[in-house]
Amino acid sequence: KNEVEQSPQNLTAQEGEFITINCSYSVGISALHWLQQHPGGGIVSLFMLSSGKKKHGRLIATINIQEKHSSLHITASHPRDSAVYICAVTPFQGAQKLVFGQGTRLTINP
Amino acid sequence: NAGVTQTPKFQVLKTGQSMTLQCAQDMNHEYMSWYRQDPGMGLRLIHYSVGAGITDQGEVPNGYNVSRSTTEDFPLRLLSAAPSQTSVYFCASSYSRDRLPSSLHFGNGTRLTVT
Repeated sequence: KNEVEQSPQNLTAQEGEFITINCSYSVGISALHWLQQHPGGGIVSLFMLSSGKKKHGRLIATINIQEKHSSLHITASHPRDSAVYICAVTPFQGAQKLVFGQGTRLTINP
Repeated sequence: NAGVTQTPKFQVLKTGQSMTLQCAQDMNHEYMSWYRQDPGMGLRLIHYSVGAGITDQGEVPNGYNVSRSTTEDFPLRLLSAAPSQTSVYFCASSYSRDRLPSSLHFGNGTRLTVT
């Protein structure tokens, strides 16, 4: 079993829909990262969080440390949000080695 | 600020050849790392460094070598390329606190094919 599991693996939605991508992990962590990989391949960091909630524009990330679960929400989705979203954790053990989920491929249709 | 510069973008090697993937950052980041990305596998850590002169192995280090002689540069060497090393490679860097990585800045990737 992977230490970091994302769901769903693939998600297709219509423009304007509210999107939720989930990330569950099985180890103790000091931080969780959400990354976005564009269709061209480039990867950007969206959020790094260790508790609570962070918001940037239409993106919201939440984390529940007790339940070992994080969600990434996109409000008023747009075709330009189409990308692969990747969850990664900084574990307490081996904290310098990030562990990545397999990614969620999101497609937003106009 | 160029951010993280990774070269080359594409490379084709024959089995047994060696090559170096270059990674440079101009943000004075202490933490630098190399990943490979394969279909269905997600990103996997090859090697990382928490500062000049300090490197360590990640999840999949075999067949790869790194060095960190300066803060800016973190080259990845393939010693004797094998078809199993066909992949997309990403370099990333970040500030670190207590040698722990912060938000990662990624290079644009290198698509390597070994025939």
